[in-house]
Amino acid sequence: EVQLVESGGGLVQPGGSLRLSCAASGFTFSSYAMHWVRQAPGKGLEYVSAISSNGGSTYYANSVKGRFTISRDNSKNTLYLQMGSLRAEDMAVYYCARDLSGCSGGSCYNWFDPWGQGTLVTVSS
Amino acid sequence: DIQMTQSPSSLSASVGDRVTITCRASQSISSYLNWYQQKPGKAPKLLIYAASSLQSGVPSRFSGSGSGTDFTLTISSLQPEDFATYYCQQSYSTPSPITFGQGTRLEIK
Repeated sequence: EVQLVESGGGLVQPGGSLRLSCAASGFTFSSYAMHWVRQAPGKGLEYVSAISSNGGSTYYANSVKGRFTISRDNSKNTLYLQMGSLRAEDMAVYYCARDLSGCSGGSCYNWFDPWGQGTLVTVSS
Repeated sequence: DIQMTQSPSSLSASVGDRVTITCRASQSISSYLNWYQQKPGKAPKLLIYAASSLQSGVPSRFSGSGSGTDFTLTISSLQPEDFATYYCQQSYSTPSPITFGQGTRLEIK
């Protein structure tokens, strides 16, 4: 069974740091790009960060650029999100998701499947 | 950034109803549009990818259509388990940045 399991969430003070992990199983982790998406309480989905299959390319939303670092350890089938200088607005459930792609008619499309169950990050003093 | 706007933001319907949710992109995104379903306390689940392709295991009452800037998700006959929030997502500019619609909450009438 393809599965993603996040961990590492918790309560952190403003300005603090936290590292999230996403353990993958049931598929060849090193063959897929991966993403982090977050959801603030009662709000919609916000795209956070992406990393290529070999870790050589990364992307960050402007809201986290310079404060968050995405990485992966393909030998451990694990994705990470190192979060620093945390703010109240970073409080959310953080999901990891696998990138899938397929090509048709000369175009190649991407989508997210599956998603992990999420881990809650609370930023409060 | 490409903005995605869903309508309506919320919708009340009854079991057996036909329901349509619309997603509009701020620029043409061809067919780079996905739909997800999210139930309270759960992770999003992929329903439709590339605008109209049904994800394996998803009931055939779900369908997607559209291209360019206007897209629809249709549920042909609502079932009790379909009451949830639905999000569209564009992947035209992947990964910089992928964007989601604000969500459509589908409630029981």
